[in-house]
Amino acid sequence: GAGVSQSPSNKVTEKGKDVELRCDPISGHTALYWYRQSLGQGLEFLIYFQGNSAPDKSGLPSDRFSAERTGGSVSTLTIQRTQQEDSAVYLCASSSGAPSGGPLGTQYFGPGTRLTVL
Amino acid sequence: AQTVTQSQPEMSVQEAETVTLSCTYDTSENNYYLFWYKQPPSRQMILVIRQEAYKQQNATENRFSVNFQKAAKSFSLKISDSQLGDTAMYFCAFEWGTGKLIFGQGTTLQVKP
Repeated sequence: GAGVSQSPSNKVTEKGKDVELRCDPISGHTALYWYRQSLGQGLEFLIYFQGNSAPDKSGLPSDRFSAERTGGSVSTLTIQRTQQEDSAVYLCASSSGAPSGGPLGTQYFGPGTRLTVL
Repeated sequence: AQTVTQSQPEMSVQEAETVTLSCTYDTSENNYYLFWYKQPPSRQMILVIRQEAYKQQNATENRFSVNFQKAAKSFSLKISDSQLGDTAMYFCAFEWGTGKLIFGQGTTLQVKP
C-alpha cells in the first residue's frame, strides 16, 4: 500500500478483555515499530521488528503486552487482560531499515489506533 | 541515556509570519538522525524534515528549515510564511541505530489568521 495502515481506528473494550491491534507497513519496509501515545507519558517506544524478529522489546510495559510479525509484513500487538491505564493511542511505523551500525532510516507512521478501556 | 527536550509547550504565530521551535538533545553517539514530525488533530504523525548528524548543511524542505548545531546539541525548526494548516503539535525526535525513536514532549503550534 501507499502508507502504513492500522486497524481498527478506534477500539473500546471492557477492563479484563484481550485486544489485538493490527499494523500493515509500507510494502518493502523491513523494520516495523510500535509506539504508545498517552496524555501522561507522551510518546513511548514499545517494540521494534527487523523482519520477523524483535531485537528490542524493552518498551513493552508488562507481560500482558506481546507482539508478533509474520512474513516480514503485518504485525499484531496484543494486550491481554486490559487495564484502564492501557487507554492510549497506539502508533505503528515502518522504515526501510539500514546496514547495521547506523541509524535505521526515516520512520513513517500509520494513523494509529485509539484504545479506550472502560 | 538519550534525551530530547522541547522547552516550549505552546507557541502561536500570525499567518504569513515566521516561527522557530526549539529542541535540544543529549547523546554520546556520533552517528544519528534527527527529525521533526507534525501531528495535526487527525493524529497522523507526518514527517516534516530530517537531518543526518554527519551532514553539516542544514536540511530544508520548502517553508521548513532547521538550524542544526551539533556541538551545542541543538536542532531548531523554522517555519516561514506560516499557514493555517501548520497548526499542529510538533515533535522533535532522535534515532541512533537501535530502531528506537526518542521523542521530545512536543510543542503545540497555533497559527492565527
